[in-house]
Formats: sequence, structure tokens, C-alpha cells
Amino acid sequence: GNSVTQMEGPVTLSEEAFLTINCTYTATGYPSLFWYVQYPGEGLQLLLKATKADDKGSNKGFEATYRKETTSFHLEKGSVQVSDSAVYFCALINNAGNMLTFGGGTRLMVKP
Amino acid sequence: DAGVTQSPTHLIKTRGQQVTLRCSPKSGHDTVSWYQQALGQGPQFIFQYYEEEERQRGNFPDRFSGHQFPNYSSELNVNALLLGDSALYLCASSFRGGNTEAFFGQGTRLTVV
Repeated sequence: GNSVTQMEGPVTLSEEAFLTINCTYTATGYPSLFWYVQYPGEGLQLLLKATKADDKGSNKGFEATYRKETTSFHLEKGSVQVSDSAVYFCALINNAGNMLTFGGGTRLMVKP
Repeated sequence: DAGVTQSPTHLIKTRGQQVTLRCSPKSGHDTVSWYQQALGQGPQFIFQYYEEEERQRGNFPDRFSGHQFPNYSSELNVNALLLGDSALYLCASSFRGGNTEAFFGQGTRLTVV
């Protein structure tokens, strides 16, 4: 079946540091890939997505590139802010488009 | 646009009881999916409803059941509650068509004591 593995946290960074959160996946076919963010006490918000190989999703300074050869979708940001502190989830959707499979989440803490 | 709304926001139940959670999808959406998120873990897919039928189901026992109404809103029912059912239950809505963005509600925090 489908699965998503992402680096365990917490990841603690100082403001303006560079961020990388690793994500790899196992899936049949060509799934779409997503990064969701969850702020304390809230539901999930879609951060970015990519629907095919070599696509780059980007939003709010975050980027991730769909790498089919390495089955990866690593999240990056050049300069993090305190407001980026949250839990980040990598996810894929199955070929039928009706079931998201999530990784375990990575907590990011950004200190001033 | 109200987005996806869930009720209640918090709930405390006793082992063995039954619970019903409710979800109203985002305007224009016709598909509702339910996820269970245990503390410190990623969401796990429970099932999806479209056209008032269960279309896909994850690895959850029959104690978990659902319903979708003609206005696309949905309920999640859990019978014979166990302590392990304590979690954040998330509802997501989307438009049928595959690979479309799913919008999530704030969730219902269920505590079983």
C-alpha cells in the first residue's frame, strides 16, 4: 500500500535559518504530493502541492520538488520566521483521488 | 465562505458509549472524508462519502460508521467507544474529480475516559 515517511522532529531553528524537512514516499502509479501545515489547536491547511514528476510546488516562501527518481518531496524554506512554528505533514493521494496518506508529521520550532 | 465546519469542537465520553460527530463541507463541495489523528501522529483515513454512499474505507473497524445527507453534510458515528478512540477527528471536503485540494475543518477533539 501507499506510505509516507518524513523526518522526525522536533526541528528547532533560529529565525532566518534555512529549513529542510525530508519526505519520501512509496506508492503505485503517479500520486499527487502535498505538504500540509497544522498550527496549534487548528486543523490542516494545504501549504503546497505538486501533481507530476519535476513539478515544484511553492507558497509563502516554502518550496518542494516532486522527485520521482528518488520518490521524494522535501520541503525547504530559505529563511524561517517565528510564525512558521507548526507541525508539517507530507502526504500523497491515491490514484482514485479519494484517500490521503500522511506522514507522521514534523514539528518545527523557530526561536527569535 | 464558511469553509468546513465541524461540531462539537470538544467532547468527553465514557468507554462503551456511542458518539456522533458532524461536518458541513465547504460551499460547492460534494465529497466528505473523515480522518482520525491520534496525539503526535499523522491523520489516518477512516472513510469517504460521495453521493450519500461510502466510497472508500480505511483500516478501521465496523464500530466506525458514517452517513452523508442530501445537502452533502456528514456524520461520523463511533459505537462501543474505547480509550484508544481518543483523538482529533478531522473532516475534509473536496469536489469529486480526483486529486483536488481537500479542505480540512478544525476538528473535534474526542476524549474517552
